[in-house]
Amino acid sequence: IAGITQAPTSQILAAGRRMTLRCTQDMRHNAMYWYRQDLGLGLRLIHYSNTAGTTGKGEVPDGYSVSRANTDDFPLTLASAVPSQTSVYFCATASSGGTHNEQFFGPGTRLTVL
Amino acid sequence: GQNIDQPTEMTATEGAIVQINCTYQTSGFNGLFWYQQHAGEAPTFLSYNVLDGLEEKGRFSSFLSRSKGYSYLLLKELQMKDSASYLCAVTTEDYQLIWGAGTKLIIKP
Repeated sequence: IAGITQAPTSQILAAGRRMTLRCTQDMRHNAMYWYRQDLGLGLRLIHYSNTAGTTGKGEVPDGYSVSRANTDDFPLTLASAVPSQTSVYFCATASSGGTHNEQFFGPGTRLTVL
Repeated sequence: GQNIDQPTEMTATEGAIVQINCTYQTSGFNGLFWYQQHAGEAPTFLSYNVLDGLEEKGRFSSFLSRSKGYSYLLLKELQMKDSASYLCAVTTEDYQLIWGAGTKLIIKP
């Protein structure tokens, strides 16, 4: 593993189905983030975790949940997918949650909910 | 509310200079980032400003004026590979990172 990996790369999902997007890092970064990116809008934070064992809600958390059982993994779950959750999802990490720390992004997951 | 404004799209010529502006209105300020994002790829870090002034890094420079809520990214000696979207992001007083929608830069030969 080099950096940040996300799986799957893309997915087409029927509405109402449950889906987990995976994110794994080998950078030993404390902070991890989930964003969605939609055309014409900026990246929007869904959930974040400043350290293993803790999570927080971002700007658009409804319909999503996360867990942070260890430093490396930060899965994002859609309990019951809806078409408005069609988006590109990026996982990001930072060495810590400090204000000056750049974020490193995974390659993204393109999700389509029909 | 929180707001970050950037032009939607800009066009420039290879070899020229382009300035991409970003204005922000946020609850407090703890730093401003610029990221580059090529189509279909993830954003990558370009620069960080927390104090007023110009930060230069090779062909790219970033300027910040906190009193005006304004930043710009200056790209010199444009190359075709600079065709990408450029994202401005501000860290607010509660350490949330708010992102602009990005500026799509098109470079023509």
